[in-house]
Amino acid sequence: AQSVTQPDIHITVSEGASLELRCNYSYGATPYLFWYVQSPGQGLQLLLKYFSGDTLVQGIKGFEAEFKRSQSSFNLRKPSVHWSDAAEYFCAVGGSGGGADGLTFGKGTHLIIQP
Amino acid sequence: GAVVSQHPSWVICKSGTSVKIECRSLDFQATTMFWYRQFPKQSLMLMATSNEGSKATYEQGVEKDKFLINHASLTLSTLTVTSAHPEDSSFYICSGGEGVGDTQYFGPGTRLTVL
Repeated sequence: AQSVTQPDIHITVSEGASLELRCNYSYGATPYLFWYVQSPGQGLQLLLKYFSGDTLVQGIKGFEAEFKRSQSSFNLRKPSVHWSDAAEYFCAVGGSGGGADGLTFGKGTHLIIQP
Repeated sequence: GAVVSQHPSWVICKSGTSVKIECRSLDFQATTMFWYRQFPKQSLMLMATSNEGSKATYEQGVEKDKFLINHASLTLSTLTVTSAHPEDSSFYICSGGEGVGDTQYFGPGTRLTVL
């Protein structure tokens, strides 16, 4: 069965500092990987996704993520965070069906931005 | 990006009553729609997958007679919580995808409180 682990429940970062959110997955075949952000009162917004090809993917809002098959990881990074980045971040994995498969989510990482 | 709406955004009902939640894809045709449940400060758990014109597929442990799903058209799926009880109180989120290889787009969620 597929699973996603986000080992950090909370992360606190100073505004302007760099950020890395960790994500490890377990999947028997080539995974489809996603990072979503959830702000209070809002739906999940897709930050970026990896289906195939270049293992470094660029997303919206200055985020990027790197797929490392050998480490079963898909960590999310941002070089300089802004106060508006404070939110809940979810890593998710789907099957080869992509949009035709339900996603398995990690437990999420709550990002706190210090002024 | 594609937009998914949900209605209502929140609902309070008495124990024993039924509640219907609508999920609509506004600017794309969702061949497949998914229903997730999110407990406070926890991750999203896939409840069921619905394909237009066919019966929904429920995840293990989800009662299909309690959570009735109908996917009557390519833009509308409904989730009916029948004979609701306080333990059904949760945040219900739907998503839609156009098919294989496509991203899922999430609705803003519906907060259900059963008294």
